[in-house]
Amino acid sequence: GAGVSQSPSNKVTEKGKDVELRCDPISGHTALYWYRQSLGQGLEFLIYFQGNSAPDKSGLPSDRFSAERTGGSVSTLTIQRTQQEDSAVYLCASSFSGVEQYFGPGTRLTVT
Amino acid sequence: GENVEQHPSTLSVQEGDSAVIKCTYSDSASNYFPWYKQELGKGPQLIIDIRSNVGEKKDQRIAVTLNKTAKHFSLHITETQPEDSAVYFCAASGGSARQLTFGSGTQLTVLP
Repeated sequence: GAGVSQSPSNKVTEKGKDVELRCDPISGHTALYWYRQSLGQGLEFLIYFQGNSAPDKSGLPSDRFSAERTGGSVSTLTIQRTQQEDSAVYLCASSFSGVEQYFGPGTRLTVT
Repeated sequence: GENVEQHPSTLSVQEGDSAVIKCTYSDSASNYFPWYKQELGKGPQLIIDIRSNVGEKKDQRIAVTLNKTAKHFSLHITETQPEDSAVYFCAASGGSARQLTFGSGTQLTVLP
């Protein structure tokens, strides 16, 4: 079946601009997670959704980062006033059980 | 919070040999330990996982062992093939945390 999809696959933006990253989870998966992977680094948790609610936003690095999920499906991660340190691969994962997580291919964000 | 240490950071083996990657975790409340394989330019792929009520799990050439007392778990790949070459990540979750905490990754290279 269809896996987690993310768009765009690559995004180049200028410092100070806002960006929106999209995640389409596996159909029926109620839990959705965003992670960030900086070059050569491990994965860093950003935010977790259960349905449309975000019970854990503890990983968001600053108030420039926000995320929402509508209809219990698609999620959007927004980064305002992008900085060069925001350059990374942003990964989305979804889960049916809230335990096993299945990842999408990621969005590579480059801030110039 | 949880902290996961992973070793080695790089590992080269001859085709047909075995590879072992080790991880330790800090939070005794963690109860779920997945392993992911990440190929260049792709998202992490869940390859095997183990829960804290099990000591070992096998799936064809891949096995994972868990020692709850020592708080460490390991990935074993037997009869390695060139297509096993990738970055492997261990992770842990459980207790009050739904998100995964990842190790720093192991670059496995299988030499033909």
